[in-house]
This record gives sequence, C-alpha cells and structure tokens, in this order.
Amino acid sequence: KNEVEQSPQNLTAQEGEFITINCSYSVGISALHWLQQHPGGGIVSLFMLSSGKKKHGRLIATINIQEKHSSLHITASHPRDSAVYICAVRRGGTSGSRLTFGEGTQLTVNP
Amino acid sequence: EAGVVQSPRYKIIEKKQPVAFWCNPISGHNTLYWYRQNLGQGPELLIRYENEEAVDDSQLPKDRFSAERLKGVDSTLKIQPAELGDSAVYLCASSSRGGADTQYFGPGTRLTVL
Repeated sequence: KNEVEQSPQNLTAQEGEFITINCSYSVGISALHWLQQHPGGGIVSLFMLSSGKKKHGRLIATINIQEKHSSLHITASHPRDSAVYICAVRRGGTSGSRLTFGEGTQLTVNP
Repeated sequence: EAGVVQSPRYKIIEKKQPVAFWCNPISGHNTLYWYRQNLGQGPELLIRYENEEAVDDSQLPKDRFSAERLKGVDSTLKIQPAELGDSAVYLCASSSRGGADTQYFGPGTRLTVL
C-alpha cells in the first residue's frame, strides 16, 4: 500500500463544475503539498499546508491532520485546469526533507 | 526571476549508452533535488543536495547513477550504462530552505532508452 493515496485516479468534469480531489496518507507528516503538472512535465507548486485551509483564486486546499486526509477543491472549473494534480507529503522526523508523492489525479475539464 | 533550467528537454539513446542531464536551480536556492518520474506515477526522489553536499542519496541506484554539484550551484545527473527501465522523466527541483520551503520544479528531461 502506498504511503500517499489519491482519489480519484481520473476525473472528467464539465466546465463550471465544482471539483474535489482527495489525498490520504498513512505516515506522520510535517507538511502536505498540492502540485499541478501539465502535459510536458512542468510541475507547479499550488499549496503547502500543515493545518487548516488555504485559498488561492479558485483553488482551495484543506487538511485534517487527525484523519490524515487532505482535499483540493476547484470552484468554477475551466478547461485550462486540465492537468495532473499531485499530492505530496513531507514526513516528519529524520527524513523530514523528503517528499513522498501520490500517483496523481488526471483532471480533464471539458468545455 | 528565471525558474529551474534543465537540459536537454528530450533525449533518446540506445541501451548501454551513457547519458547526462544538467540542471541550473533558481539563483540563491541552496537545496537541489533530482527526481525520476515514471509514466503515470508521482516523482521519486533520487538525490538531494544541500549546497555541494549530497545529504540524501539513499534512493539513487549507485551502480549506474551518479550526480555531482561541484560548486553548489548547477548539477549533473549521469546514467552509465542506461537500461531500458531508465526511460522516464528526470525532474530537477530547488528550494531555498531545504525541506522547509516550497520546491520549484524544472520542466524535466524525458529520457527514452531503446
């Protein structure tokens, strides 16, 4: 079992829909990252959070440390949001600088 | 501000040949990471540098992979000899405060081994 599990693996939505991508992890962490990867490989960091909630534009990320769960929400989705969204956790303790990545969620937003 | 620069963007080689990838991190970033990303999977850390010191190379296959960051700025990742299973995207990332800061990723080098 992977230490970081994302769901769903693939998601297709219509433009304007509210989207939720989930991430569950099984290890103690000091921070969780949400990343966006467009075709061609470029990865952009969206959020880094260790508690609560963060919002940037139409993107909202939440984390529940007790439940070891995080969600990424996209409001009013747009075709340009189509990308792979990756959850990554930074483990606590001596391996605290290493990120462990989920396998990603492929999001396709149709016009 | 320039982002993380990687070259080449694409490389196709035959198995058993050597290959090298180059990365120039964001200016002032002391921490540099090399990741390997297989198709449909998340990135996997190969090596992390703090300045010129490799502080985490536990997942680097040392029989064929090597890396260097001689002056604590740009870095080279080498594979010799390459195997079919090495086909992947090799990503470089940098951050300013080690594990405590956001990592900025380069565009990656897509390696195909025939």
